[in-house]
Amino acid sequence: GQSLEQPSEVTAVEGAIVQINCTYQTSGFYGLSWYQQHDGGAPTFLSYNGLDGLEETGRFSSFLSRSDSYGYLLLQELQMKDSASYFCAVRGDSNYQLIWGAGTKLIIKP
Amino acid sequence: KAGVTQTPRYLIKTRGQQVTLSCSPISGHRSVSWYQQTPGQGLQFLFEYFSETQRNKGNFPGRFSGRQFSNSRSEMNVSTLELGDSALYLCASSLDLGNTEAFFGQGTRLTVV
Repeated sequence: GQSLEQPSEVTAVEGAIVQINCTYQTSGFYGLSWYQQHDGGAPTFLSYNGLDGLEETGRFSSFLSRSDSYGYLLLQELQMKDSASYFCAVRGDSNYQLIWGAGTKLIIKP
Repeated sequence: KAGVTQTPRYLIKTRGQQVTLSCSPISGHRSVSWYQQTPGQGLQFLFEYFSETQRNKGNFPGRFSGRQFSNSRSEMNVSTLELGDSALYLCASSLDLGNTEAFFGQGTRLTVV
């Protein structure tokens, strides 16, 4: 079967750095995406990795290693507003269907 | 540019009834996907439409169906509602099938009583 594994919950302190990991097992791979969802809100796109390496967008960075079927989202200078759930998603083989992880709830403490 | 619009935002239905949810994608987007999200759960994929054709389907019973119109607007229908169908139903649009970025609507909160 196809699956994405990510931690269910991560806790960090305001101003710190946190890394959310995602490992995937899919038939076919056309890129790893990350989405953020605040409670009561809709998921919003954060980043995409199609090739190995690091992609940086402001305080957020995302990394991919296709040989390890692994990626991570790195959040720096954490702010209270970063408290949300973070989902990784992979485009797989079957008609490019987007396959989702169960999400990681990020809790930030002052 | 208007975002993805889902209607209605909230809905209360009785067990056994049917419901139709609507999604208007971003102008120019041709791919529409539907997801079910229950409290504390991830996104459960329902189906994806592109150019009026269902391209992908998740593991949901046949009570869940959908369609896409020529203007890319999409509807999903759930018949014979069950209490377990209570959830947030999210619609996402993409420019094309296989696009890396999906844009989500605010969802329809369905409560089955």
